[in-house]
Amino acid sequence: AQSVTQPDIHITVSEGASLELRCNYSYGATPYLFWYVQSPGQGLQLLLKYFSGDTLVQGIKGFEAEFKRSQSSFNLRKPSVHWSDAAEYFCAVNTGGFKTIFGAGTRLFVKA
Amino acid sequence: DTAVSQTPKYLVTQMGNDKSIKCEQNLGHDTMYWYKQDSKKFLKIMFSYNNKELIINETVPNRFSPKSPDKAHLNLHINSLELGDSAVYFCASSIDRGNSPLHFGNGTRLTVT
Repeated sequence: AQSVTQPDIHITVSEGASLELRCNYSYGATPYLFWYVQSPGQGLQLLLKYFSGDTLVQGIKGFEAEFKRSQSSFNLRKPSVHWSDAAEYFCAVNTGGFKTIFGAGTRLFVKA
Repeated sequence: DTAVSQTPKYLVTQMGNDKSIKCEQNLGHDTMYWYKQDSKKFLKIMFSYNNKELIINETVPNRFSPKSPDKAHLNLHINSLELGDSAVYFCASSIDRGNSPLHFGNGTRLTVT
């Protein structure tokens, strides 16, 4: 069965610093990969997705993610973090069916 | 115009009661879902429906009964509520399966006392 691991429960970065959130998946083939963001009291919003092709994908709000097949990873990055980026971030996978599985989430704190 | 809307936003009730959560999407999507988010923010799929047909039932207790009267609606009825049912319940929809991103409602926070 597929699984998703986000090794970092929480991360703190300074405003203006770069960010990388880690995600590893377990699946025999390449799944469909997603990153979502959840602000307090809100539902999840899609940041970006990877299906095939270029392994570096661009998303909304200045985020990007890189798919590395050899490492079964799909890490999320942002060159310069803004205070408004403080939220919970979820990596998710789908293997083609009706079931999307989410990682445990990484809480991002941004300090001034 | 809210894409995926669920009501109520908050629900506080006592153990043993029966309650319902309603969800509607105006995106024209074929697939709808219920997810449960626990106090540690872990998201677990409960049900998925495609064109009103139940596709996934993730070993959820049969006290939980989803109903999809049409493609745009997916309601969740919970009987004999237990303390462990306290969580945030999210409704979501997608165009179809697999590579279709999920569109989430803002959640219903259920507290069972």
